[in-house]
Amino acid sequence: AQKVTQAQTEISVVEKEDVTLDCVYETRDTTYYLFWYKQPPSGELVFLIRRNSFDEQNEISGRYSWNFQKSTSSFNFTITASQVVDSAVYFCALHPNTGANSKLTFGKGITLSVRP
Amino acid sequence: KAGVTQTPRYLIKTRGQQVTLSCSPISGHRSVSWYQQTPGQGLQFLFEYFSETQRNKGNFPGRFSGRQFSNSRSEMNVSTLELGDSALYLCASSLAWLAGGYSYEQYFGPGTRLTVT
Repeated sequence: AQKVTQAQTEISVVEKEDVTLDCVYETRDTTYYLFWYKQPPSGELVFLIRRNSFDEQNEISGRYSWNFQKSTSSFNFTITASQVVDSAVYFCALHPNTGANSKLTFGKGITLSVRP
Repeated sequence: KAGVTQTPRYLIKTRGQQVTLSCSPISGHRSVSWYQQTPGQGLQFLFEYFSETQRNKGNFPGRFSGRQFSNSRSEMNVSTLELGDSALYLCASSLAWLAGGYSYEQYFGPGTRLTVT
């Protein structure tokens, strides 16, 4: 069985603060993919990043960075110098690397509020 | 390139009725997946269609069904609606999930918010 845990439910920060969103996953698959999605108030899930399990290289993209550690089954997401527009619900998701079981397993999401 | 579109955006139905939701994937995408989002259960996978065939199914009762057409457009149907079916239904499209290693990100539509009274 696959499981994604986002222990933080709500985070509130002041603009320009850095914030890290935690994600821990469980899977028996040896290869898999991890994702982060953002859901603004409009409701549409916006794809942020995909990482495969055999690539532990961390990535930085503008104000966003991701820290993938297979040893601890974690895939954390950091926003540097947060902005009000970053306010949204953030979901971590897991996908097996097998075509026969093609579904995303989502965490419960973290509601991020960035105050001016 | 146009994104995933879903119609209608909002729907109000009465218990016992049935409803059909529509999803048009991104051009060229052959896989369409459906998810239900509720405050209590979060995002849950309903089913996935690829080349007009249901390739995977989540743990939902048979009242939930779907289909995919030759142009990759998909419809989802819920029969005998219950109050608990009130949710945001999200459709996602991707190039394809292929066995053997390839995996593509899913792009989501804006969702259809269904309210059952």
